[in-house]
Amino acid sequence: KAGVTQTPRYLIKTRGQQVTLSCSPISGHRSVSWYQQTPGQGLQFLFEYFSETQRNKGNFPGRFSGRQFSNSRSEMNVSTLELGDSALYLCASSFGTEKETQYFGPGTRLLVL
Amino acid sequence: GENVEQHPSTLSVQEGDSAVIKCTYSDSASNYFPWYKQELGKRPQLIIDIRSNVGEKKDQRIAVTLNKTAKHFSLHITETQPEDSAVYFCAASIGNYQLIWGAGTKLIIKP
Repeated sequence: KAGVTQTPRYLIKTRGQQVTLSCSPISGHRSVSWYQQTPGQGLQFLFEYFSETQRNKGNFPGRFSGRQFSNSRSEMNVSTLELGDSALYLCASSFGTEKETQYFGPGTRLLVL
Repeated sequence: GENVEQHPSTLSVQEGDSAVIKCTYSDSASNYFPWYKQELGKRPQLIIDIRSNVGEKKDQRIAVTLNKTAKHFSLHITETQPEDSAVYFCAASIGNYQLIWGAGTKLIIKP
């Protein structure tokens, strides 16, 4: 079956702008998690959505928000972009049960100038 | 807050030798510990995981050990090969559905 997909793959924005990233999970998966990946910082958890509800949230400012649709596709929005938001944003999907494998998308590389 | 410390940040080993990566977690309630491998330019993929009711798990050349008392777990790769070159991430469960991740270890296999 098709894997997790993310669009767009690359983005260049300027400070102060906003951006929306999209993630389509594997068919049948109801959980989507979002991560920010920067060199040396590993994977920083942003939030997780399950059945259209935010189930978990990391320690990111309110400029980072997300939502999930009834077909489990998820979007992440970052408002008022800062230079430090430049990173690879990964989403991962799963069925949403405990202790299960997360399947990652290819990521969206965001560059803020 | 809760965290996972991962060491070393970079590990260089000769092809055919063994590699060991160690992680320490802070939440004593953590009970699920996966390891993911991320090759250059690719997405992270699960390579092995362990639950807190076992102390060791093996899958061919890779193994993971867990010491709940000391709150640390390790990834062991034997007979390393060039295709083992990648960044490896450990993680520990926080609550029921969330993972907290280590910062990653870049493994370099020297020919």
